[in-house]
Amino acid sequence: RKEVEQDPGPFNVPEGATVAFNCTYSNSASQSFFWYRQDCRKEPKLLMSVYSSGNEDGRFTAQLNRASQYISLLIRDSKLSDSATYLCVVNFYSGGYQKVTFGTGTKLQVIP
Amino acid sequence: DAMVIQNPRYQVTQFGKPVTLSCSQTLNHNVMYWYQQKSSQAPKLLFHYYDKDFNNEADTPDNFQSRRPNTSFCFLDIRSPGLGDAAMYLCATAGTSGSGQYFGPGTRLTVT
Repeated sequence: RKEVEQDPGPFNVPEGATVAFNCTYSNSASQSFFWYRQDCRKEPKLLMSVYSSGNEDGRFTAQLNRASQYISLLIRDSKLSDSATYLCVVNFYSGGYQKVTFGTGTKLQVIP
Repeated sequence: DAMVIQNPRYQVTQFGKPVTLSCSQTLNHNVMYWYQQKSSQAPKLLFHYYDKDFNNEADTPDNFQSRRPNTSFCFLDIRSPGLGDAAMYLCATAGTSGSGQYFGPGTRLTVT
């Protein structure tokens, strides 16, 4: 089993639609979780952290389910500019040691 | 604006010819990371520094070395590049282990 798994997509959705991505992770001791977006041939950009209580930033909502070891990202009212690859990241750290694992990403294409 | 800068943005080197990629940051972050990303793959962590403490991923080839002479700068040295080392190399910084990372624009390395 991969350490972090994402459905690669692509997810093709019309403008205005709601779309959700999931990401599962295998290390139950993982401690922090993030979503990044990456545009073609660009660097990843931090989108949001993910907390067990759930957190929202405008049209974006992230959720962590530790019991089932997955994180989710919900995008409401999709815009053309949301088209990108969405990467989930799982962190484990202890003392000076840190393990950062990226998922391979889910590609989103928002269609006019 | 505080940022992460990578130079050069594009680097072409010959098979076996050493190359150095540089990264600088104005965020005053403690942690700096180097990733390798190949087409349609997740970023792969090569190593990271927490302050001056160097952490090498177990599967990072010996061909890859790094230096961090001060908080602001970090270098990636590829001693004898092979064709398989052609990739995007991404530098990232974070305030602490486990916090969100801020990426530079990357250096795209071509090996001829």
